[in-house]
Amino acid sequence: EPEVTQTPSHQVTQMGQEVILRCVPISNHLYFYWYRQILGQKVEFLVSFYNNEISEKSEIFDDQFSVERPDGSNFTLKIRSTKLEDSAMYFCASSEAVAATEAFFGQGTRLTVV
Amino acid sequence: QKEVEQDPGPLSVPEGAIVSLNCTYSNSAFQYFMWYRQYSRKGPELLMYTYSSGNKEDGRFTAQVDKSSKYISLFIRDSQPSDSATYLCAMINMDSNYQLIWGAGTKLIIKP
Repeated sequence: EPEVTQTPSHQVTQMGQEVILRCVPISNHLYFYWYRQILGQKVEFLVSFYNNEISEKSEIFDDQFSVERPDGSNFTLKIRSTKLEDSAMYFCASSEAVAATEAFFGQGTRLTVV
Repeated sequence: QKEVEQDPGPLSVPEGAIVSLNCTYSNSAFQYFMWYRQYSRKGPELLMYTYSSGNKEDGRFTAQVDKSSKYISLFIRDSQPSDSATYLCAMINMDSNYQLIWGAGTKLIIKP
């Protein structure tokens, strides 16, 4: 069964450092998403991406965040200067259709900022 | 008022029981209603989704939407210990955007 894969599974970084979280979406999917889940809190939408550009982003997705599809298979989330409050699980998802009604999620990357 | 409300639980039931999980919402424009299952430290896994009001059944799972009451439910029949997980509801209003709006998740424990 096709799946969304994310690397690394756990990343520890110092405050102020840049991190790149990587995702390989399902191959025939066209829409890609990043969500995050702070421990004990709701899943929150960050950004959606289609046709090599951002289609929607939330208030959380400020100038410190960027996304890229560098090579047609990977989908990355970069945080330029991490803050303690960026510590969370980051989930990548992909879907065939524009509405994420059947979005498939990766296993997540646990980001710990110290 | 939060857009989507979901009791975080935990909800503990004996194996074989029928489980009822629920969410309420405030935005009447939501059209698609999803249920996800999330095991500890794993990503959400889509169980099923429904469009508008009515029921949808898939094996031991039944999703129910009552738009007049802004209330959705997920029923699990013949519950198994492997059903122990957090169950999240999520919704989409396609008239404004395509983001998933999530409930907080209900932690379900099935006791053998």
